[in-house]
Amino acid sequence: DTAVSQTPKYLVTQMGNDKSIKCEQNLGHDTMYWYKQDSKKFLKIMFSYNNKELIINETVPNRFSPKSPDKAHLNLHINSLELGDSAVYFCASSTDLFTEQYFGPGTRLTVT
Amino acid sequence: TQLLEQSPQFLSIQEGENLTVYCNSSSVFSSLQWYRQEPGEGPVLLVTVVTGGEVKKLKRLTFQFGDARKDSSLHITAAQPGDTGLYLCRGYGSSNTGKLIFGQGTTLQVKP
Repeated sequence: DTAVSQTPKYLVTQMGNDKSIKCEQNLGHDTMYWYKQDSKKFLKIMFSYNNKELIINETVPNRFSPKSPDKAHLNLHINSLELGDSAVYFCASSTDLFTEQYFGPGTRLTVT
Repeated sequence: TQLLEQSPQFLSIQEGENLTVYCNSSSVFSSLQWYRQEPGEGPVLLVTVVTGGEVKKLKRLTFQFGDARKDSSLHITAAQPGDTGLYLCRGYGSSNTGKLIFGQGTTLQVKP
């Protein structure tokens, strides 16, 4: 069974559109994350939630809004997409901030 | 701000060669993790080192944590094509977001 799943795997959209990426984990973890990996493979934290509460919010444009309906799900909504938003977005989960993170397969977002 | 610098950023070698990847910082970390990411997938944890001077072995991979806990190295003996991937280090630091910083990554290509 997949531990951390993301949908969709690929997302191609035009500038100005609004899109969402969904993430679910079945590991029973309390902490979930969203990362952005750019074309140079640099992995940067965007948000972290613990038991549905936002605990880390890096310098991310307000167009990005995470939502955690329960501790097994962390979705990412992006408004008014821009070319610079093109990247691979990874969801991850862990027991807490100190322990091993389990990553999803990633969502490749292409904004044209 | 705590930063992790990895070197080299890219390495292309022949099967059977040895290599070392470095992860350095000016800050002290309470522990450090190494992840490997294969194309099209999320990073997967290889090892966590906690104690200064600690050495851990995982088959042909040897991980070392510096005595001062500011740096770490990953040595691969007799590299194989299956070792190809992106190697990322991640350190746990003193600040909240310091726990979620990854190094820039080292892309390793092992040619048969």
